[in-house]
Amino acid sequence: KAGVTQTPRYLIKTRGQQVTLSCSPISGHRSVSWYQQTPGQGLQFLFEYFSETQRNKGNFPGRFSGRQFSNSRSEMNVSTLELGDSALYLCASSLDQGQGAGELFFGEGSRLTVL
Amino acid sequence: LAKTTQPISMDSYEGQEVNITCSHNNIATNDYITWYQQFPSQGPRFIIQGYKTKVTNEVASLFIPADRKSSTLSLPRVSLSDTAVYYCLVGAGSGWGKLQFGAGTQVVVTP
Repeated sequence: KAGVTQTPRYLIKTRGQQVTLSCSPISGHRSVSWYQQTPGQGLQFLFEYFSETQRNKGNFPGRFSGRQFSNSRSEMNVSTLELGDSALYLCASSLDQGQGAGELFFGEGSRLTVL
Repeated sequence: LAKTTQPISMDSYEGQEVNITCSHNNIATNDYITWYQQFPSQGPRFIIQGYKTKVTNEVASLFIPADRKSSTLSLPRVSLSDTAVYYCLVGAGSGWGKLQFGAGTQVVVTP
């Protein structure tokens, strides 16, 4: 069973540009979450999508957005990039059985560097 | 979501047992306790999950007291490759997609 796939793995952008990151969840998983990880702030929750709808949102500015497609694949977009957006962006998927135990499966991440 | 508190760092030698305790005083009745491991520049990886008492798998054990306000991850006979950050989280059901990770515990294993 293929794991969570994120593309691109590495990218370099300049301030003011925008970037789109892609995530393909594990087959059958309907929930896709995005996290930002930086040395100073650790792992921070960005948002979660479930069945093409944003179900939960973290405390990030509106420059950070996302969407989920009917096949559960998800993209996140960051507009007007700032130096502080340099981070490892992680995508995770989960089965979401609605109750009980669960697990997040993470991808390898997309390493964004903003110059 | 229940907040968790765990030590910032722990040092150990190869072959020793490492025990990391996590406090989650506000854990809800239906919450499960899960531990993740993360190596640099990789996504976190599931280690173990439990609800109460003790759970053991091929890599770790999880001890949960009756009041469930804390839990202890036990890594037996650690090796250098166990050097990583370990996160304790609580959640349930559809809450897994919005987990808030704390700072985690940096475990450093030396020869």
